[in-house]
Amino acid sequence: KNEVEQSPQNLTAQEGEFITINCSYSVGISALHWLQQHPGGGIVSLFMLSSGKKKHGRLIATINIQEKHSSLHITASHPRDSAVYICAVSVYTGGFKTIFGAGTRLFVKA
Amino acid sequence: DSGVTQTPKHLITATGQRVTLRCSPRSGDLSVYWYQQSLDQGLQFLIQYYNGEERAKGNILERFSAQQFPDLHSELNLSSLELGDSALYFCASSVGTGDGYTFGSGTRLTVV
Repeated sequence: KNEVEQSPQNLTAQEGEFITINCSYSVGISALHWLQQHPGGGIVSLFMLSSGKKKHGRLIATINIQEKHSSLHITASHPRDSAVYICAVSVYTGGFKTIFGAGTRLFVKA
Repeated sequence: DSGVTQTPKHLITATGQRVTLRCSPRSGDLSVYWYQQSLDQGLQFLIQYYNGEERAKGNILERFSAQQFPDLHSELNLSSLELGDSALYFCASSVGTGDGYTFGSGTRLTVV
């Protein structure tokens, strides 16, 4: 079993829909990251969370430390949101090792 | 432009060769992280440096080595290259250790 699990693997949505991507992890973490990777390959860091909830524009990220679970929500989805969304956790080992989920491929249809 | 510069953007080389990938972190960032993204393995953490010192090590092969120089740029050296080393190699930087990351645009390595 992977230490970081994401669901779903693939998601197709209609423009305007509310989208949720889930991430569960099984290790002790210092922080959780949500990343966005566009088809060109570049990676953008969306959020870094260690507790609670963060919001940026139409994106909301939440984390429940006790349940070892995080969600990324996209409100009023748009075709430009089409990308791979990756959950990653930072694990302290003297420095910070990163463990990645396999990613969720999102396609938003116009 | 994220502020993290990786060179070269593309590299094609033959099996058995050695290459060096370079990363300049965002101004003010002291930590540099290296990652490998291959089609079959996804993103994998390789190594972290903080202010010139190695701080964390992931799934980095013995044929690979890295270092961070006094001006904080970092180099990832890949030697005795195999076809399976073909991948995107990303560098990221952060202010300290455990802060949010800023990613470079990556180096696409193709081993033929």
